[in-house]
Amino acid sequence: NAGVTQTPKFQVLKTGQSMTLQCAQDMNHNSMYWYRQDPGMGLRLIYYSASEGTTDKGEVPNGYNVSRLNKREFSLRLESAAPSQTSVYFCASSESGPTGEQYFGPGTRLTVT
Amino acid sequence: KQEVTQIPAALSVPEGENLVLNCSFTDSAIYNLQWFRQDPGKGLTSLLLIQSSQREQTSGRLNASLDKSSGRSTLYIAASQPGDSATYLCALSTSGTYKYIFGTGTRLKVLA
Repeated sequence: NAGVTQTPKFQVLKTGQSMTLQCAQDMNHNSMYWYRQDPGMGLRLIYYSASEGTTDKGEVPNGYNVSRLNKREFSLRLESAAPSQTSVYFCASSESGPTGEQYFGPGTRLTVT
Repeated sequence: KQEVTQIPAALSVPEGENLVLNCSFTDSAIYNLQWFRQDPGKGLTSLLLIQSSQREQTSGRLNASLDKSSGRSTLYIAASQPGDSATYLCALSTSGTYKYIFGTGTRLKVLA
C-alpha cells in the first residue's frame, strides 16, 4: 500500500518551460488536492478535486491547470513556468473531502530559474 | 475569511518535558481539525484528526483538544523525546467548502 505517490521528486525548469507534476493514490479516495509550500507562507491550496470528474480553484490557482484523470490520478500542469512558482508541491487525498483525514505525498521540489 | 495561527513559531525544550502547541482559528464553523508532523525535506504525516463534534483525540503520547467556541486547538506532547523534533502544523476545513486552511506551523526542537 503506497498511499500517495508523486513524481518527479525534484525538477529544475527555465522560465517559460512547461511541465506536469503527477500524483496518484491507491486508497480509493474521492477527493484530491494540490498545495504549494513556501517559507513563511505555510501550505496554500492551488486546486482540488472533490470527486472524479470535478476540479475547483483553491487559494492560488493562477499559472496552473489540473486534470483529474481518473479516481486515482490528479495532475498539476505549469504551462509557462515563472520564478515565482519555485516551491515545494504536495499532493494530498482524503476519502470524503473536508470531513475526512488528509494523506500527503512526499512532495516535488521545483526550482524555476 | 478563516485564518489559522500557530504561536510560537519555534520552541526548544529539554528532553522529558511535557509541552503544548497552540492553534487558533477565527471561524468556528469547521468540519474537522487535523494535526500534522513535518520533518525537514519531507511530506506531512497525519498525527490526529478531531471531528467538529469531538472535544479531543489521543494517540500514544499525543493528545489534541478542540474548543470551537474559543477558536482554539492544542496539541499536548507528553514526555518529549529528541525524535519529536519536527515542525507541527494544524489544518482545518470549514463547513460548506472543500478547502483546508493551514497554519504556518511550530518548529519544535527537543534537546537531549
